[in-house]
Amino acid sequence: QQQVKQSPQSLIVQKGGISIINCAYENTAFDYFPWYQQFPGKGPALLIAIRPDVSEKKEGRFTISFNKSAKQFSLHIMDSQPGDSATYFCAASMNSGGYQKVTFGTGTKLQVIP
Amino acid sequence: SAVISQKPSRDICQRGTSLTIQCQVDSQVTMMFWYRQQPGQSLTLIATANQGSEATYESGFVIDKFPISRPNLTFSTLTVSNMSPEDSSIYLCSAWRGGYTFGSGTRLTVV
Repeated sequence: QQQVKQSPQSLIVQKGGISIINCAYENTAFDYFPWYQQFPGKGPALLIAIRPDVSEKKEGRFTISFNKSAKQFSLHIMDSQPGDSATYFCAASMNSGGYQKVTFGTGTKLQVIP
Repeated sequence: SAVISQKPSRDICQRGTSLTIQCQVDSQVTMMFWYRQQPGQSLTLIATANQGSEATYESGFVIDKFPISRPNLTFSTLTVSNMSPEDSSIYLCSAWRGGYTFGSGTRLTVV
């Protein structure tokens, strides 16, 4: 019940295209859904996050779509750029004694080709 | 959000030896975490470290193998003890301060 399933494992997108990464969860106790971006040799960095009372959140070229009834959420990267090439992790977390205990997806390696 | 300095960034170690990884946070944080990440894989939580108390280890990780210190609210260390090639991985520290911040990781190779 603690798993977060993420797909695809890898993704190649042309510059200017839309990158879409999907995640699904089982545990309805999760109440916060962040996405992390990780470049080689670096730690993951928070990209964008959403709470389940919102169906969509947009920040620049990055949009999270959230479907509470289906227990699914996705990251859309519009106008994908070569600089977006990185590994993306979805995550789901729940409150656990004053902090958010987080479960990470398996990651998607995105390559944006010129 | 907090900024974390982690060192060393990489090391090559002989089997049977130990390596201590250090993480320094630029502000006081209650919760710090240690993760392991196999290349190309997701993050696996090793343990949660609160200042002034024993670390809490996840299933499959034990204190004798991965002792953790948390002497104050800005610093933590993880030791990988009696290393074997199976311990080759990336080790990441993280801190919770209204959100998660990660260090840049330590790439460990055991030969």
